[in-house]
Amino acid sequence: NAGVMQNPRHLVRRRGQEARLRCSPMKGHSHVYWYRQLPEEGLKFMVYLQKENIIDESGMPKERFSAEFPKEGPSILRIQQVVRGDSAAYFCASSSDTGELFFGEGSRLTVL
Amino acid sequence: GQQVMQIPQYQHVQEGEDFTTYCNSSTTLSNIQWYKQRPGGHPVFLIQLVKSGEVKKQKRLTFQFGEAKKNSSLHITATQTTDVGTYFCAPRNSGGYQKVTFGTGTKLQVIP
Repeated sequence: NAGVMQNPRHLVRRRGQEARLRCSPMKGHSHVYWYRQLPEEGLKFMVYLQKENIIDESGMPKERFSAEFPKEGPSILRIQQVVRGDSAAYFCASSSDTGELFFGEGSRLTVL
Repeated sequence: GQQVMQIPQYQHVQEGEDFTTYCNSSTTLSNIQWYKQRPGGHPVFLIQLVKSGEVKKQKRLTFQFGEAKKNSSLHITATQTTDVGTYFCAPRNSGGYQKVTFGTGTKLQVIP
C-alpha cells in the first residue's frame, strides 16, 4: 500500500511565479491536511480538506494561497506570485476516520 | 480557544540518560497523538492516547495521558542516538471533523 505521495520533492521558483504542490493521499483516505514548516520550527497548520470540500482553511493566508482536493486526482496546494517568505517545507498528511495522520516526505520550496 | 504548551523546547542528553517531554492543554482533550520527526525527515505517528490516565509503552518509550485529559507526556528510558529528532504532540478536541494542530515540539539531541 503506497504511502502519501508528494511532488515535487524540491521546487525552485523566482519571485512572482506560481508554485503548485501535489499530494496523493493513501488509498482509502478521504482527509487531507497541509502544513508548512520553516527550518528549526514547528508544523503550522494551513488547511484541512475532504473530498471536494475545504473543511478548515484558517491557517492559510487569504491572498495568493489556495487548496483543492478534487473528486479525482491529487490534492493541490497552489501559491501564486511567490515571495521569498514562502520558502519552506510543505507537508501533506492524510488520514482515515480513525484520525492517525500519515505524512508525505514534503515539498521543499525555494523562492529566489 | 485551546492553548497547548509543549516543554521543553530543546533537550540535550548524554546517551543512556532518560528524557521526558510534556504537552499541556488549557482545555480537556478528546485524545492526543504523538509524532516524531527525524532531522530532514517527515513526521511519523507514534501513538494515540484516548482514555483518562492511560499509559502505553513501546519498548523504551512510555506515553501517559493525564487523569484530567489535559496533559500528556512522553518518556524515553536510556536514550540512544537513534532517538534524535523532534517530538510533537497533537491534541484533539471532541466535536466532529476538525483540523489537527501540533504542539511546538521538543527537539532532542543525544550526545554519544
